[in-house]
Order: sequence, then C-alpha cells, then structure tokens
Amino acid sequence: RKEVEQDPGPFNVPEGATVAFNCTYSNSASQSFFWYRQDCRKEPKLLMSVYSSGNEDGRFTAQLNRASQYISLLIRDSKLSDSATYLCVVNRGLTGGGNKLTFGTGTQLKVEL
Amino acid sequence: DVKVTQSSRYLVKRTGEKVFLECVQDMDHENMFWYRQDPGLGLRLIYFSYDVKMKEKGDIPEGYSVSREKKERFSLILESASTNQTSMYLCASSSPPGGGSGNIQYFGAGTRLSVL
Repeated sequence: RKEVEQDPGPFNVPEGATVAFNCTYSNSASQSFFWYRQDCRKEPKLLMSVYSSGNEDGRFTAQLNRASQYISLLIRDSKLSDSATYLCVVNRGLTGGGNKLTFGTGTQLKVEL
Repeated sequence: DVKVTQSSRYLVKRTGEKVFLECVQDMDHENMFWYRQDPGLGLRLIYFSYDVKMKEKGDIPEGYSVSREKKERFSLILESASTNQTSMYLCASSSPPGGGSGNIQYFGAGTRLSVL
C-alpha cells in the first residue's frame, strides 16, 4: 500500500463548479498535513496546511480525519486558473525529527469553459 | 519570500559523466532536500540534510551522493550518470517542525536532466 494515495484523475469540471479531492495516508504517526499545487512543468507550491479542526482559505477548504487517516480538499467556484495537479502531503512522524514529507502522486484538475 | 535557486533548468549529459546539480536557498533553513519526479511515481526523496555536513539517505539514494559544505547550498552528485537517471530533479528547503512555518518545504524550479 502506498503511504499516500490519491485518485490521479483527471477531474474535468466546468468553470464555477465545486470539486472535491480525497487522499488517504497510512502512517498513523503523521502530524503535519498539506496540500500543494503543481502546475505543468513547474515546481510544487504550498496551497495550504491542513489542521485538525479543518480550515478554509478563500474558495479552498481542507479537512482532516485522523481516525480514518483521510484528508480532503474542496474547491468552490472553480476558475480556469485552478487547473493544476494537487498533491496531498504528509510528514513521516517523529522519525528524523519529523522533517521528511511524503508526497502523493497528485490529482489532476482541468477546469473548462 | 523564500527563494530556492537551482543552477540549471535543463541539462543534457552523456552516460558515465559526473553530474553536479546545485541548489541555494536564502532563508537560512536548516533542512534541505533533493527529490526526483517521474510520471506516475510522484516525488521521491533522494537525500536529505538537516545541517551543514550532515546528510541522510532518502528512499532512493543509489547512484547519488550529496554535499553540504555551507548552510545555504546543497549539491546533488551523480557519480556516473546513467539513462535511468533521466528525470526532473527538485531541490527543497524547510525549517524544522515546531516553528510557524516549520516543515513546509519550498521548492526550486527544478532541473530537467536528460542522460543520453
């Protein structure tokens, strides 16, 4: 089983739609959780951290369910500029000081007119 | 803004050559990382450094070595490049967990290496 699993997509949605991505992780010791965004042929960039109580940043909402080891990202009112690959990222727990991250292979989103 | 700079965007090398990939960060981060990214496999950690002259193997260290002589610079070395090392190489840096932005990794623009 992969440490971080995501549906690769692609998710093709019309502009203005709401879309949700899910991710599961296997390491119960993980303590930090993130969503990164990666545009085609570019480097990954932090989209948002994910907190236990859930958090929102504009049109983006992230949720964490520690019991089920499940993370989600909801994008409301999708824009063409949201087209990208979204990477689910978790840290590896306390081993190595918790510094190392495991990246999912990403979910591709295409927002269309 | 955090800036992580990789020395080359594109590199073409021949099998057997020694290859150096350089990475510099300007945020005084303790941690630096080298990854490779391949289609369908995602980002895989090659090596990690948590301090000057300190290094730790990642998930796929075979065929690679690293050097960290100064805090801001982390080099990846391919001792004898092979065709299966053709990939996108990404450098990242972070501060340790516990701080305000601890654990968040900031990436360079990447080096697309082709080994012929």
